[in-house]
Amino acid sequence: AQTVTQSQPEMSVQEAETVTLSCTYDTSESDYYLFWYKQPPSRQMILVIRQEAYKQQNATENRFSVNFQKAAKSFSLKISDSQLGDAAMYFCAYNFGNEKLTFGTGTRLTIIP
Amino acid sequence: DGGITQSPKYLFRKEGQNVTLSCEQNLNHDAMYWYRQDPGQGLRLIYYSQIVNDFQKGDIAEGYSVSREKKESFPLTVTSAQKNPTAFYLCASSTNYLNTEAFFGQGTRLTVV
Repeated sequence: AQTVTQSQPEMSVQEAETVTLSCTYDTSESDYYLFWYKQPPSRQMILVIRQEAYKQQNATENRFSVNFQKAAKSFSLKISDSQLGDAAMYFCAYNFGNEKLTFGTGTRLTIIP
Repeated sequence: DGGITQSPKYLFRKEGQNVTLSCEQNLNHDAMYWYRQDPGQGLRLIYYSQIVNDFQKGDIAEGYSVSREKKESFPLTVTSAQKNPTAFYLCASSTNYLNTEAFFGQGTRLTVV
């Protein structure tokens, strides 16, 4: 069974600084997708970024980028120039084929003004 | 506007009663999901459906039931057999393609009183 692990229950960062959230996963598949979702206090889940496993190039969306290490099964999220609006729970997720989207336990990110 | 709607936002239930949570989408998505969210446990999959009139159990299906009679609708019933039903419930939908993101409703907070 696929599992997703987020080992940092909480993280904090100074406003305008950079923070990296960690995620590891376990799978025997070679072609799959990985996602980072953000859940702000409103509890609405929002897609932040996605990565295709067969692509070596790391995905980037504005201030958000990933460090995808396929061999190590690692998928970290880097947030640059952190803003107050980035404060949220962040969930890493894995998807393969027609299987369920599997989530990690989340990391609560606090932005310090 | 296209989207996914959950109702009600807050729900109170007496012990021993069944209760049904509504989830409707107008995104023309084939797949729909129900997740339960508890503090420190991330999102756990209850049931999912990839096509009308078919659904599969997720990781924590005991005490829950679903139906998928229409593509747009995937209601979740929390039965009296669910021993600890107080939680935040999220419904999601997606296409059945590997790289697709899941779109989430705004959630229902169920409290047993």
